[in-house]
Amino acid sequence: RKEVEQDPGPFNVPEGATVAFNCTYSNSASQSFFWYRQDCRKEPKLLMSVYSSGNEDGRFTAQLNRASQYISLLIRDSKLSDSATYLCVVVRGSTLGRLYFGRGTQLTVWP
Amino acid sequence: SAVISQKPSRDICQRGTSLTIQCQVDSQVTMMFWYRQQPGQSLTLIATANQGSEATYESGFVIDKFPISRPNLTFSTLTVSNMSPEDSSIYLCSAALTSGANVLTFGAGSRLTVL
Repeated sequence: RKEVEQDPGPFNVPEGATVAFNCTYSNSASQSFFWYRQDCRKEPKLLMSVYSSGNEDGRFTAQLNRASQYISLLIRDSKLSDSATYLCVVVRGSTLGRLYFGRGTQLTVWP
Repeated sequence: SAVISQKPSRDICQRGTSLTIQCQVDSQVTMMFWYRQQPGQSLTLIATANQGSEATYESGFVIDKFPISRPNLTFSTLTVSNMSPEDSSIYLCSAALTSGANVLTFGAGSRLTVL
């Protein structure tokens, strides 16, 4: 079983739509969780960290359910510029830099 | 401005040859990391480049195939040796630019095609 599994997508939504991505992780010892964004032919960049209590950054809301080993990302009021691949990332333990990436969920927002 | 720069950005190589990718960080960092992103796949950690000691390789990656150098706190190289078409991939250098945090900043990547 893969360390991190994501909705494969692609998701194609109109501007202004709300879209949600899901991710599950296999190792219950995982301690840190992130969403990264990767634009086409670019490097991944941190979008936001994910905390147990859930956290929000503008139009983006991330949630973590440790019991179900499930992470979600909600994007409200989608913009054209949100078109990208969203990567679910999990860190097991405290070893710096050993990040486990999902394959990513591709989002296209159309006008 | 880029804080992690890699070169080459892309290359096309012949089977059996080797290619060295360079990574430069604007600031001193304790550890640098090399990842691989194969077409349609997730990023996978190859190894951690430690300054002053040998690199630490992940399962499935070996030093003979991916030798790494880390001569100082701002620079590292990854060599892909004796390349085959299966090595065609994007290779990304990264570092944790925030002390103690497990948030990585990536270079733009080196897109390698092996014929």
